[in-house]
Amino acid sequence: AQSVTQLDSQVPVFEEAPVELRCNYSSSVSVYLFWYVQYPNQGLQLLLKYLSGSTLVKGINGFEAEFNKSQTSFHLRKPSVHISDTAEYFCAVSPGSSNTGKLIFGQGTTLQVKP
Amino acid sequence: DGGITQSPKYLFRKEGQNVTLSCEQNLNHDAMYWYRQDPGQGLRLIYYSQIVNDFQKGDIAEGYSVSREKKESFPLTVTSAQKNPTAFYLCASSIELRGEQFFGPGTRLTVL
Repeated sequence: AQSVTQLDSQVPVFEEAPVELRCNYSSSVSVYLFWYVQYPNQGLQLLLKYLSGSTLVKGINGFEAEFNKSQTSFHLRKPSVHISDTAEYFCAVSPGSSNTGKLIFGQGTTLQVKP
Repeated sequence: DGGITQSPKYLFRKEGQNVTLSCEQNLNHDAMYWYRQDPGQGLRLIYYSQIVNDFQKGDIAEGYSVSREKKESFPLTVTSAQKNPTAFYLCASSIELRGEQFFGPGTRLTVL
């Protein structure tokens, strides 16, 4: 069975500093990987996704993530954060093509951007 | 505009009353989901449906019921058997179970 672990529950960072939100997964089969963002009292919206191909994935709002198969990780990065990036971030994993199963979410990481 | 709608945004009910949360999608997705979110918590799956007229229990189905009579609609009933129903409820849909999920704006339920 697959699972996903977000290693930090909260990440405080100053505005314009770089940030990395960590995500590790466990799965015995190929996977699809996703990062979602949730602003207060709203639904989740997709930041980026890895399905296949290049391991460096670029998403919206200047975020990017790198798929590392050997380390089973999919860490999210942004070189310079803004106050508006303050939100909850969820990593998710699902079985890749030719496999059955559904999308599984991590517990979330709260990014707190301070002025 | 394609998307998922949930209504109402805020819902108040008295303890002991059943309440139904609406979820409608016009994305032509086969799969739909209901999640519960509590403060500081992640997403917990209540029920999901892979196709019309079929649904499966998630991790916390006790005290909830669903129906999937139409592809576009997946209403969730919070029954009086649910011990602590006050929470933020999110509905989502996807083309298939392993695919990207699209989320609605959520319904905040408060039981007084």
